[in-house]
Amino acid sequence: AQSVAQPEDQVNVAEGNPLTVKCTYSVSGNPYLFWYVQYPNRGLQFLLKYITGDNLVKGSYGFEAEFNKSQTSFHLKKPSALVSDSALYFCAVRAGASGNTPLVFGKGTRLSVIA
Amino acid sequence: DTGVSQNPRHKITKRGQNVTFRCDPISEHNRLYWYRQTLGQGPEFLTYFQNEAQLEKSRLLSDRFSAERPKGSFSTLEIQRTEQGDSAMYLCASRSGLMNTEAFFGQGTRLTVV
Repeated sequence: AQSVAQPEDQVNVAEGNPLTVKCTYSVSGNPYLFWYVQYPNRGLQFLLKYITGDNLVKGSYGFEAEFNKSQTSFHLKKPSALVSDSALYFCAVRAGASGNTPLVFGKGTRLSVIA
Repeated sequence: DTGVSQNPRHKITKRGQNVTFRCDPISEHNRLYWYRQTLGQGPEFLTYFQNEAQLEKSRLLSDRFSAERPKGSFSTLEIQRTEQGDSAMYLCASRSGLMNTEAFFGQGTRLTVV
């Protein structure tokens, strides 16, 4: 069975500082990994994905994530946080072997960027 | 490409009533998913369509829930005899048939059962 863990319910960071939102996963076979962001009363917006290739993937709004197979992690990062980055962030995984499996999401991490 | 559209955005209903939600996916996407999200939780998978075929249903999908996707285009999710525990945000997502593609989500329908 697939699962995702986001160990931090809340991450606080000062504007301009680097940010990291943590994610670990469990899946059979090769993982397809995703990060989504959710603003209040809105659906989820896709940020970035890891399918194969370079372990460091770059996405929207200056975000990037690093895939670490040995640690089964896919942490989201940004070099310099903005107040507008404050939102709810979800990590998700899908088993790569089959294109039919749905995404499994973590519980989310609320990011608060303080001016 | 107008994105994934869900209607209504909000629905308040009395316990015991039936409700139906609609999802219009991105037009060329053959895969459509329904998720439920409650406060403080991540989206939980409910059911999935490939074209008009419903291929998978979660154990969360009780017999009061039914979903359809006639002709492989829009989809509807119906909840019969609503209960207060059904109050949640219902999210629809679609993606193409290519294995490495991401899912695109609609803005959701927020259901409140009173």
